[in-house]
Amino acid sequence: AQTVTQSQPEMSVQEAETVTLSCTYDTSESNYYLFWYKQPPSRQMILVIRQEAYKQQNATENRFSVNFQKAAKSFSLKISDSQLGDTAMYFCAFMKHKTRYGGSQGNLIFGKGTKLSVKP
Amino acid sequence: DSGVTQTPKHLITATGQRVTLRCSPRSGDLSVYWYQQSLDQGLQFLIQYYNGEERAKGNILERFSAQQFPDLHSELNLSSLELGDSALYFCASSVDLAGGYDEQFFGPGTRLTVL
Repeated sequence: AQTVTQSQPEMSVQEAETVTLSCTYDTSESNYYLFWYKQPPSRQMILVIRQEAYKQQNATENRFSVNFQKAAKSFSLKISDSQLGDTAMYFCAFMKHKTRYGGSQGNLIFGKGTKLSVKP
Repeated sequence: DSGVTQTPKHLITATGQRVTLRCSPRSGDLSVYWYQQSLDQGLQFLIQYYNGEERAKGNILERFSAQQFPDLHSELNLSSLELGDSALYFCASSVDLAGGYDEQFFGPGTRLTVL
């Protein structure tokens, strides 16, 4: 079974600074996806960034980037130039690579989350 | 707005009761996923339906059941409710085409409070 661990329950950062959220996972799968989701106070789940395990290049989306270390099973999220709107719960998630045919099991496995506060 | 709708937004009920949560996926999405978010268990996967058929089961209690109808909307039925069932219940949907990756879009959730 796959597990996802986020060891930082809470973090804070000053506006405009950089912060890194940690995530480790355990799996015997060789092909999978990793995600960071953001959940602001509105409770809506928002996909921040995605990484395919077969890709060595780290994913980047504007101010958000990841450091994916497959051998170490580590997947951290770096937020640059933090903004007040980045205040939220951040969840690391894992999904197995789907098989060739549709309707495969594609559920997400989430970590416990990190509560990030951006301070003015 | 993800395009996934969930009703009701809030639900308050008593222990021992039964409730039904409804989810309408994005137009064209074939898979529906149910997740439960509670303080104790965090965010966990309950069940997945694909085009009307159950595809995967997670940590879903026997008191809980779900179905997906021909129009692809889904309902999650929770019975013999206990205080510990109080949680935010999310529905997500995806196109779920053959192979590869497709994004799951989350609804706004239904907040269930059991008193």
